Amino acid sequence: EPEVTQTPSHQVTQMGQEVILRCVPISNHLYFYWYRQILGQKVEFLVSFYNNEISEKSEIFDDQFSVERPDGSNFTLKIRSTKLEDSAMYFCASRDRDRAFGYTFGSGTRLTVV
Amino acid sequence: KQEVTQIPAALSVPEGENLVLNCSFTDSAIYNLQWFRQDPGKGLTSLLLIQSSQREQTSGRLNASLDKSSGRSTLYIAASQPGDSATYLCAVKDGGSQGNLIFGKGTKLSVKP
Repeated sequence: EPEVTQTPSHQVTQMGQEVILRCVPISNHLYFYWYRQILGQKVEFLVSFYNNEISEKSEIFDDQFSVERPDGSNFTLKIRSTKLEDSAMYFCASRDRDRAFGYTFGSGTRLTVV
Repeated sequence: KQEVTQIPAALSVPEGENLVLNCSFTDSAIYNLQWFRQDPGKGLTSLLLIQSSQREQTSGRLNASLDKSSGRSTLYIAASQPGDSATYLCAVKDGGSQGNLIFGKGTKLSVKP
């Protein structure tokens, strides 16, 4: 069964450093998403991406965040200057064109900012 | 603003018991509803997807129902097993947004052997 792959599985970074989280969505999917889950809290929407541009973003997704699909297969989330409160599990998801289909999530990247 | 609530927050049952997890949402104008399983420190595994026009979906020992007008969904697990121990998340997709899923906080299930 096709999978969404995320790397790394765990990243530790110092406050103020830039991090890039990587995702390989399912190859024929057209819509891509980043969600995050702070420990003990709900999974929260960050951003959706379609046709090489952001289609929707939440209030969390401020100027410190950016997304890119650099080569037609990878989908990345960059955090420019990490803060302690950015520590969370970050999930990538993708779905097919038909809105009737559900989302496929990756296994997540646990980001720890120290 | 859509809010999703899951009750109970935690549930512990003996192996073999049938159980029901509840999900409620405040705005009935949803496109679909998806149930996920999350193991500790792991990703989200999709279990069942119910379209707004459907009343229920079944997969093996799992059955999910949807009552859109009352803003409720239930996940029924038959003959529970220790391997079912995980957190179960409910998420709705609003009809109005482009694809944003709104999650509940989950029900943490523990099935004792």
